[in-house]
Amino acid sequence: AQSVTQLDSHVSVSEGTPVLLRCNYSSSYSPSLFWYVQHPNKGLQLLLKYTSAATLVKGINGFEAEFKKSETSFHLTKPSAHMSDAAEYFCVVSDNRGSTLGRLYFGRGTQLTVWP
Amino acid sequence: DTAVSQTPKYLVTQMGNDKSIKCEQNLGHDTMYWYKQDSKKFLKIMFSYNNKELIINETVPNRFSPKSPDKAHLNLHINSLELGDSAVYFCASSQFNGSPHEQYFGPGTRLTVT
Repeated sequence: AQSVTQLDSHVSVSEGTPVLLRCNYSSSYSPSLFWYVQHPNKGLQLLLKYTSAATLVKGINGFEAEFKKSETSFHLTKPSAHMSDAAEYFCVVSDNRGSTLGRLYFGRGTQLTVWP
Repeated sequence: DTAVSQTPKYLVTQMGNDKSIKCEQNLGHDTMYWYKQDSKKFLKIMFSYNNKELIINETVPNRFSPKSPDKAHLNLHINSLELGDSAVYFCASSQFNGSPHEQYFGPGTRLTVT
């Protein structure tokens, strides 16, 4: 069965400092992994995706994530936070095989606060 | 051009009423989804249609009925609304045979039942 655990429900950083949002997954098959961002009162926007090619994935707005199979992790990072990064972030795993092919499993989200 | 659009954006109604939410995508995708996001921001899939065929039907009350008139549209009708139905409902679409199945989300419909 697929599942996602986001290890922090809230993360606070100062503007200009690094961001680390942690995610661990469980998957019966080789997973596809995603990070989505949701700004207040908005829909979800895809930040980046891991398909099984390069383990270090670059996304939009300077975010990147590294797939580590041995640790079953897919942590999201950014070298320098910006005020506009304040939002809710969701780590997501997708079924790539089986009867639930294509279904997404969402983590509970991490609220990122950026202080000036 | 909005890729996935939903109407209405806000919906306030009383208990017992029947309401519909509409979703349209212009991405040419063949699969569409409905999600419910609760007050704690948790997203749970409700339904999925592939080429107008229901492929995911989670355990939701049968007061919720999705309808897909064509591949570009997926509507959600809710009968006899209850207070617990208050949430944000998101529509999404994807290309089912594509990889890695990323989904594109609409802006959401905030439903408030009083």
